[in-house]
Amino acid sequence: GAVVSQHPSWVICKSGTSVKIECRSLDFQATTMFWYRQFPKQSLMLMATSNEGSKATYEQGVEKDKFLINHASLTLSTLTVTSAHPEDSSFYICSASPGSSYNEQFFGPGTRLTVL
Amino acid sequence: AQSVTQPDIHITVSEGASLELRCNYSYGATPYLFWYVQSPGQGLQLLLKYFSGDTLVQGIKGFEAEFKRSQSSFNLRKPSVHWSDAAEYFCAVGEPTSGTYKYIFGTGTRLKVLA
Repeated sequence: GAVVSQHPSWVICKSGTSVKIECRSLDFQATTMFWYRQFPKQSLMLMATSNEGSKATYEQGVEKDKFLINHASLTLSTLTVTSAHPEDSSFYICSASPGSSYNEQFFGPGTRLTVL
Repeated sequence: AQSVTQPDIHITVSEGASLELRCNYSYGATPYLFWYVQSPGQGLQLLLKYFSGDTLVQGIKGFEAEFKRSQSSFNLRKPSVHWSDAAEYFCAVGEPTSGTYKYIFGTGTRLKVLA
């Protein structure tokens, strides 16, 4: 149980285009989802926290207009990287939590984004 | 602000040797602590977690960790390392926020296992 999927697993795009990454909880309802970014050989940095039906809460330094997060249902959150540039190339990982008082997150397998 | 420190960026051990990965945290209340493992290009797999109770926690793959409040530590141990344990290991603390918990990760320790 508690499986989280991400799609696509990798994507290559041209500079200036937008890319959407999906995060799905497959066997539970995720009240809260999180988006992380991981640069090569570095740790995971939390980008934003999203609650179903609400606006996402972005961490300091994360551009909300560049990284659009939508959490329209209890099983799906999307991250759209708008007008992507090479510096946005990274490994993006989502996680999901079943409930407001639940203190464990379940992680997706990640999406490798390469912007040419 | 909460923080997690993993002092060792790289650790190399021989297969069959014991292993200890260090993790220190800064947190005002009783922390929720986690250890995750990440293989190259993969997501995170939970090894074990501590919420309360017994301070020695058993996890998967033969790993265990001990919560020591006096030292603000949550070190990960394994008595005999296997070559397949080579990976990146992350310690994390759960911080309550807006009715849920967000994770603060340490910088990670990359484990290399010698045959």
